[in-house]
Amino acid sequence: EPEVTQTPSHQVTQMGQEVILRCVPISNHLYFYWYRQILGQKVEFLVSFYNNEISEKSEIFDDQFSVERPDGSNFTLKIRSTKLEDSAMYFCASRLGLAKNEQFFGPGTRLTVL
Amino acid sequence: QKEVEQDPGPLSVPEGAIVSLNCTYSNSAFQYFMWYRQYSRKGPELLMYTYSSGNKEDGRFTAQVDKSSKYISLFIRDSQPSDSATYLCAMSALGNTGFQKLVFGTGTRLLVSP
Repeated sequence: EPEVTQTPSHQVTQMGQEVILRCVPISNHLYFYWYRQILGQKVEFLVSFYNNEISEKSEIFDDQFSVERPDGSNFTLKIRSTKLEDSAMYFCASRLGLAKNEQFFGPGTRLTVL
Repeated sequence: QKEVEQDPGPLSVPEGAIVSLNCTYSNSAFQYFMWYRQYSRKGPELLMYTYSSGNKEDGRFTAQVDKSSKYISLFIRDSQPSDSATYLCAMSALGNTGFQKLVFGTGTRLLVSP
């Protein structure tokens, strides 16, 4: 069964460093999302991406964040200068299309900022 | 008032019990309702989704939506120890590119004892 994959599973970085989190969405899906979950808190929306552009972003998704679909399979989230409060699980999700709203999540990348 | 409210639990039941998990919401624009299961430090796994009001059944799981009361439920029949996990409700409204971001509840931790 097709699934969303994410790499790495765990990323440790120093405050102020740039990180890139990678996702491979389900192959025929058209809509892509990033969510995050700080330990013990709810899953929060960051950004949605369709047709090579951002369709919606939350207030969390400031200028330090960017997303890209560099080729036909990968979807990346870049954090330019990480802060301690960026430590969280980051989940990528994908959705097939307009008629199908189910979002399928990847296993997540645990980001630890020291 | 929070957009989506969910009792965090934990909810402890014996094996074989019927489990009832619930969420309330305040945004009347929500039309699409989902239940995800999340094991510790893993990605959310889609269990059930419903559009607008009504019931949907899948095996031991039944999802109910009451839009007039802004209340959704997930019932698990014949609960098993393997059902022990955190159950997240999530919902979305209709936007320009189809349904928008998912808004999650905090999750209810379920413990099923043998």
